[in-house]
Order: sequence, then C-alpha cells, then structure tokens
Amino acid sequence: GAVVSQHPSRVICKSGTSVKIECRSLDFQATTMFWYRQFPKQSLMLMATSNEGSKATYEQGVEKDKFLINHASLTLSTLTVTSAHPEDSSFYICSASIRLDEQFFGPGTRLTVL
Amino acid sequence: AQKITQTQPGMFVQEKEAVTLDCTYDTSDPSYGLFWYKQPSSGEMIFLIYQGSYDQQNATEGRYSLNFQKARKSANLVISASQLGDSAMYFCAMREPITGGFKTIFGAGTRLFVKA
Repeated sequence: GAVVSQHPSRVICKSGTSVKIECRSLDFQATTMFWYRQFPKQSLMLMATSNEGSKATYEQGVEKDKFLINHASLTLSTLTVTSAHPEDSSFYICSASIRLDEQFFGPGTRLTVL
Repeated sequence: AQKITQTQPGMFVQEKEAVTLDCTYDTSDPSYGLFWYKQPSSGEMIFLIYQGSYDQQNATEGRYSLNFQKARKSANLVISASQLGDSAMYFCAMREPITGGFKTIFGAGTRLFVKA
C-alpha cells in the first residue's frame, strides 16, 4: 500500500509554545488529507479535511485558529498546534487519500504538553 | 448523533475460531464507503477491508470478510481462523460525501482479545 509519513513521531513541549506536525505522502499525490486526534483508549476524532490549494474544512468544535492546517502541495500537509496547552496532549494522526476506496494513515505523532 | 456505532467495547475469541465484530452506520447519502482498520498497541492504523455502498458482493480480503447488510445499515467484520496477532483495537469507519469532497469518520472501536 501507499506510504504516509509523519514528523515528528513524538514531541514534548512547554505550555504556550507552538508545534508543527508534517504529513507527507511518499509515493503518491494525495488530493485530500485528513487530520485526526486520538485520546487514550478512545476513537479517532476527525479534526479537519484539507484539499490541496484550498482552505481546510474543520469539524464542529475544532478551533481553526488553534489548529492551523496548510495543505501546500499534493504531498505535504502540516498541522500547527498554536499556543499548546496540556489539554492538547494527544495522538495526532494524518491520513491521505487519492481514491474513494483507499485511505492511508501516517504512523501518528504523540504530543505531550507540559 | 452517532453515525458509526460499534456496540462491543471488548470481545474474546479462542485462537483458530472465527469472530464477528459489529458495526452499524447511519447516512442518508446513497453513495458511501465502509472501512475496517486494525490498530495494534503501536498506534498505527492498518487497513483491512473496504465495501462500497454500490458493491453487490460482500468484500473479502484473506481472513477478513465484511458482512454488508445494506437495508439494516450494518457492516460487520468477520475474522476467520483467529490468530494471537489479531489481538488489537478494530475500528469501523464510514466515508461519506460532503460539499467539495468527502470525509471519513470512525466508530468507538472494539478491542479484540485472542486467547491461546
């Protein structure tokens, strides 16, 4: 299957700092990328959907000014958690898709905000 | 309203036996897709199987098969000949169209324990 990478895999930061997470599709061009958040022992919650070159569509309850998404190219999407706080600590997973019957996931980024 | 429902928080199965993980969904759109993913303790999401809403036959992928009951809006995953390595979280997901594209949402998940 196609490969989606995420960087970093793990990040620990101080409260108030901003953290950028990169998601790359390595061997295909993804027209659509998704960002999910997963708290311990819970399911994946969709945060936003982004299409290359256009603004991301955020799910209800997700602050777009706090979680900045940039889908600058068909192979790269970034999620920036601005002014992170301990409650933002979570597992962030990106996903990329080129066809309706395929959706590939990155390995995830574990964010810990102290 | 919950659109993807997995009613089994945990399931036990004996090694080499078959197990069915339940999933029901709710959508008013005639065009949608259903996925099952496996998430081991490492956190990676592993694609297992896909069923399109217009597919006439139930999807199968090796030991995985999807029991698609369209009228009942259910898409249960059947794992045959369970192996110890099948112990993991299993998520059902639905892709549905939205303005400008589509999105995929997940159920709460079922944790499967395979006993030796």
